[in-house]
Amino acid sequence: DVKVTQSSRYLVKRTGEKVFLECVQDMDHENMFWYRQDPGLGLRLIYFSYDVKMKEKGDIPEGYSVSREKKERFSLILESASTNQTSMYLCASSVPWDRGFSSGNQPQHFGDGTRLSIL
Amino acid sequence: SQQGEEDPQALSIQEGENATMNCSYKTSINNLQWYRQNSGRGLVHLILIRSNEREKHSGRLRVTLDTSKKSSSLLITASRAADTASYFCATKQAGTALIFGKGTTLSVSS
Repeated sequence: DVKVTQSSRYLVKRTGEKVFLECVQDMDHENMFWYRQDPGLGLRLIYFSYDVKMKEKGDIPEGYSVSREKKERFSLILESASTNQTSMYLCASSVPWDRGFSSGNQPQHFGDGTRLSIL
Repeated sequence: SQQGEEDPQALSIQEGENATMNCSYKTSINNLQWYRQNSGRGLVHLILIRSNEREKHSGRLRVTLDTSKKSSSLLITASRAADTASYFCATKQAGTALIFGKGTTLSVSS
């Protein structure tokens, strides 16, 4: 079974702090994703990465950056945390999309989420 | 960019009843996927239906896809209390990440 592990289930930080959220997957997946989930807004994509050192902006990248130094690890960084970044953060991984039609038909595998509170 | 939209937003039923959730989307897709999320946990993939398929089954789950209406439905038969969760549809276009809807919250009471 694919396992996506997020380093913390709950995290409390202060405004202005630099915050690191870590995600590790064990299935050698090329694609990794960071979403945030807020009531009434569903899941919104922050950033994704399709290879080591590669990254693409999602729908809401402002205030965030990411790092992918190793294939199995994808980090989300809040450069200067603000209260409006209080949210549930979900990491996911998947096989790449460019191996033909069949590979595009694969699910994303999610971690259990990090509930981040910025005070 | 919200693509899928689930309906209803919330659904309450008794154990043993069937639950039907709908998803509408706006643009052409490669496939449509349904996920479940238990409270406070991550999303779990349930079923994927390709754009050239019309119906798919997995255990007590039945998914239909109507590309002409840009809509899909998820049917859970003989619901159990353990089916209480939020259900999300997600659409996949070529070369893009999945786009998720806002979800349907299902409550199954015993």
